[in-house]
Amino acid sequence: TQLLEQSPQFLSIQEGENLTVYCNSSSVFSSLQWYRQEPGEGPVLLVTVVTGGEVKKLKRLTFQFGDARKDSSLHITAAQTGDTGLYLCAGGLGSNDYKLSFGAGTTVTVRA
Amino acid sequence: EAQVTQNPRYLITVTGKKLTVTCSQNMNHEYMSWYRQDPGLGLRQIYYSMNVEVTDKGDVPEGYKVSRKEKRNFPLILESPSPNQTSLYFCASSLSGQPNSPLHFGNGTRLTVT
Repeated sequence: TQLLEQSPQFLSIQEGENLTVYCNSSSVFSSLQWYRQEPGEGPVLLVTVVTGGEVKKLKRLTFQFGDARKDSSLHITAAQTGDTGLYLCAGGLGSNDYKLSFGAGTTVTVRA
Repeated sequence: EAQVTQNPRYLITVTGKKLTVTCSQNMNHEYMSWYRQDPGLGLRQIYYSMNVEVTDKGDVPEGYKVSRKEKRNFPLILESPSPNQTSLYFCASSLSGQPNSPLHFGNGTRLTVT
């Protein structure tokens, strides 16, 4: 059983549309990270959120950490083909916990 | 350029033939870790190291060994590979290893064990 559940597993949209990816858990996390992975490469960090209720924006990407620090979402506005990739959330249970748990990922395909 | 370098990128081997996947980072990071990535399961941690000569098991350590004799290198050793170890492997490093410290990943090693 995954500590972090991501949904949906796959998402295919047209360029210009919006999308939201969810990352949920029954556990409380000290912080949560979002990564994007492209084919043939390793994941690359997009953002880290540490405070319950925190919202961070990275150009067209908006990340939100739930008030109870058990869930997070990633919203992409006006998706572009360059947003295509595997989006992974990862969280640590304690501030000194050296084990980061990853969700299974959401594969996003943006069609031209 | 700051990076994590894994070698080889692709490896095909037979059951029982010992192999080593190398990992090196040039960022003077304290923390290094190995993950395997399988469809539908995401990234699962195999072993991690908080500093030289300090290693610990992750979630799926069976069948793997690691060593951290130097800060920059963290090789992954499969003494007797089996087909269920066919997977995509990633090495990663971070400054401190704490959950809010960003992980820097290598480009992966695709291992096939027949």
